[in-house]
Parts: sequence; C-alpha cells; structure tokens
Amino acid sequence: AQSVTQPDIHITVSEGASLELRCNYSYGATPYLFWYVQSPGQGLQLLLKYFSGDTLVQGIKGFEAEFKRSQSSFNLRKPSVHWSDAAEYFCAVGAPHGNQFYFGTGTSLTVIP
Amino acid sequence: DVKVTQSSRYLVKRTGEKVFLECVQDMDHENMFWYRQDPGLGLRLIYFSYDVKMKEKGDIPEGYSVSREKKERFSLILESASTNQTSMYLCASATTGSNTEAFFGQGTRLTVV
Repeated sequence: AQSVTQPDIHITVSEGASLELRCNYSYGATPYLFWYVQSPGQGLQLLLKYFSGDTLVQGIKGFEAEFKRSQSSFNLRKPSVHWSDAAEYFCAVGAPHGNQFYFGTGTSLTVIP
Repeated sequence: DVKVTQSSRYLVKRTGEKVFLECVQDMDHENMFWYRQDPGLGLRLIYFSYDVKMKEKGDIPEGYSVSREKKERFSLILESASTNQTSMYLCASATTGSNTEAFFGQGTRLTVV
C-alpha cells in the first residue's frame, strides 16, 4: 500500500539556522515525489518535485530535497531559514499518470527570531 | 500559469443544508481531485475524477458526492451537511501523463453550525 510518513508534527528553528524536514514513503513502483508548502488559510504550493535523474533536486525559495531510494526517503532541506518560511509542509508521492497523489500528515514549521 | 479556482474561501452553512463547493481549472487537465484537510490528519482524498462524468471514490467518500459535467469544473456536494464536515476543502487538478504534478486551489474553509 502507498503511504507517506512525516515523523515530525512540529519543528521550531531559529531564523538563519538550517532546516531538514523528514519524509519517508512506501510505494510499489518508482515514485514521483513532491514537497508542497501551505501558508495559513491558503492552498498548497509546489516547492519541488522528483521524477527521475539527479537525486538532489532544487526548488523554489532556496529549498532542496534529496531522494534516497535505499532509505525510501525524500528529505527537504534549507541552509538558512527565513521568518517567511513559517508554514505547513507536505510531502507527497504520486502515481506516474497523474491520477493519484498521496500526502503525508504535514510538518508545521515555526521560525523564531 | 495553471489556475485552480475554488468558488468560495469561507462558507458557513447550517446542519442539514445541501452544500455545493465548486472548482474550476483552466489548463484542460483530465484529472481533478477533492481533498479534505484536518489538523493532524493531512490531506485525505474524498473523490477524484479522470474524465467528464467519470469519478472514483477516495478514502473518505461517505456523506459526499461529486459532479463533473464539464472538463474544467468539478463540484463537491454535501448532501446533508453535518457538523463533522466542518473542515478545509482543497481542490486540485493534474494532467494525465508522465512527470505531472497536482495544482491546488486556495481552499474553502467550511463551517457547519
């Protein structure tokens, strides 16, 4: 069965510190992987995606993620967090033909000055 | 840019009312989705549609129905609203094919009183 696990419900970091959000997935085939961000009261915005090729992918707003097949992980990173990064982050795995997307339960990020 | 538009940002309805949530996308996507988002539970799929007049149940279809009469429009219907349907509802669309991602609307915050 397909599933996505985000083990951290809530993370607090200081502005300027580095960030890593964890994501593990279970999927029967080669996964399509995504990270989305949601600001309060808003819809989800795509940060980055992995379909194939280079396992380190760059996204918007200075985020990157690394696909590790052996660990079934797709962790999101940012070297220096800004106060505006405070939001909810969702990891997702998708079927190859765009007809199924499975989401984790999300990680809420708080940034303190 | 792909645009997914949900007809209302906020709705307040009474118990027992029939409620319609509308979603329109402008990129000719075949696939459309309705998710429900609740704290700690992430995004749960209610229904999705892969073509006009075609629909599939998701993980939590009970108490909901959908309609897709035109390719660009996907409606979620609460036949008789109940207080436990108070939630954030998110619509998304995606094209069929490889290397596809889900595009989200801004969400509808529904309160049933």
